[in-house]
Amino acid sequence: GENVEQHPSTLSVQEGDSAVIKCTYSDSASNYFPWYKQELGKRPQLIIDIRSNVGEKKDQRIAVTLNKTAKHFSLHITETQPEDSAVYFCAASRDTGGFKTIFGAGTRLFVKA
Amino acid sequence: DAGVTQSPTHLIKTRGQQVTLRCSPKSGHDTVSWYQQALGQGPQFIFQYYEEEERQRGNFPDRFSGHQYPNYSSELNVNALLLGDSALYLCASSLGMIEAFFGQGTRLTVV
Repeated sequence: GENVEQHPSTLSVQEGDSAVIKCTYSDSASNYFPWYKQELGKRPQLIIDIRSNVGEKKDQRIAVTLNKTAKHFSLHITETQPEDSAVYFCAASRDTGGFKTIFGAGTRLFVKA
Repeated sequence: DAGVTQSPTHLIKTRGQQVTLRCSPKSGHDTVSWYQQALGQGPQFIFQYYEEEERQRGNFPDRFSGHQYPNYSSELNVNALLLGDSALYLCASSLGMIEAFFGQGTRLTVV
């Protein structure tokens, strides 16, 4: 079945450093890749997404890259701040025959001040 | 715009009971997806409703069923509750492949 693997499970960085989270998906029909941030006790919130016809997308301090050949996509956060501390989830989705989204297991990011 | 709203926010049920969770999608959205999120894990896709029909389903038993109404609101029903069904149940609404917005979730505890 479809699967999304996410690494690392925990990431600790110093404020101002960069953080990188990597995901691999198995369903080659996936064509939409959102990233969600979930703070403790709150709902997941979309922070950035990328579609399969694009290799890279950037929004201020956040960027996502996609390698369809390798079925690999990554989240890059630059100049990290303490408020970036949260759990981040990658996901893969496809719109053929009705889409369903498969989530990774999550990365707990700690940004130390 | 109230966004995606779910009710109730918390619920405690006994093993073997049945539960119904409700979701109102974000205004303008026609697709509702349900997820189960166990503690410390990522959301697991249960199923998706579009035009009042189940369009996609994840690896969940038939004890999990749902419904979508003409106004796009949706219900998740779970029969014969097990302790392992304790989790945060999230509803997400979307319009086609446009980004999905999550509700705040319903925390279900089965005792």
